Amino acid sequence: GAVVSQHPSRVICKSGTSVKIECRSLDFQATTMFWYRQFPKKSLMLMATSNEGSKATYEQGVEKDKFLINHASLTLSTLTVTSAHPEDSSFYICSASRSGGSSSTDTQYFGPGTRLTVL
Amino acid sequence: GNSVTQMEGPVTLSEEAFLTINCTYTATGYPSLFWYVQYPGEGLQLLLKATKADDKGSNKGFEATYRKETTSFHLEKGSVQVSDSAVYFCALAYSGGYQKVTFGTGTKLQVIP
Repeated sequence: GAVVSQHPSRVICKSGTSVKIECRSLDFQATTMFWYRQFPKKSLMLMATSNEGSKATYEQGVEKDKFLINHASLTLSTLTVTSAHPEDSSFYICSASRSGGSSSTDTQYFGPGTRLTVL
Repeated sequence: GNSVTQMEGPVTLSEEAFLTINCTYTATGYPSLFWYVQYPGEGLQLLLKATKADDKGSNKGFEATYRKETTSFHLEKGSVQVSDSAVYFCALAYSGGYQKVTFGTGTKLQVIP
């Protein structure tokens, strides 16, 4: 168990358009989901943490009006890149945690990633 | 703040060679430690984890031991295969509340036949 999917896996869009990326936990409920951005040959940068039914918590330097996050249910979170520009081209990865509780064995399960290319 | 430092890659090994990828961390308290693997064009997969000092995580022939005295979590495998070629990320996280993960920069492993 603990499978996380992302859709689409790859998207190409024109500059100025908006793109929505979905992240789903397929076989468990995820109170908390995380969105990361990975630059070429770099590590993952946490963009925001989203909890079901509440506003996302954005990391410093991440524009919340540009990267809209909605955690509508315990199995779905979406990231919308608004008015995308070429510099937004990147690999976006989501992860989900089974619970936001105090278990020392909580683990994040990662989606396969979405490659966004903005022309 | 918390940080994870990995040895710089790329690491190139011949098939069946012994692998060590060093990882050290800076953190307060007792984080859980993880190794994730990313194959080309894919997301991250959890490879192994350890949640307390002296724990050994193991999976697919890989293993790593949580060493609090040296703040290390080195990844080892006795005999690598071509299929092990990937980028390996060391990471730490705290349980409870918002479980933010701090990643190292990743080490690319290339295994040649």
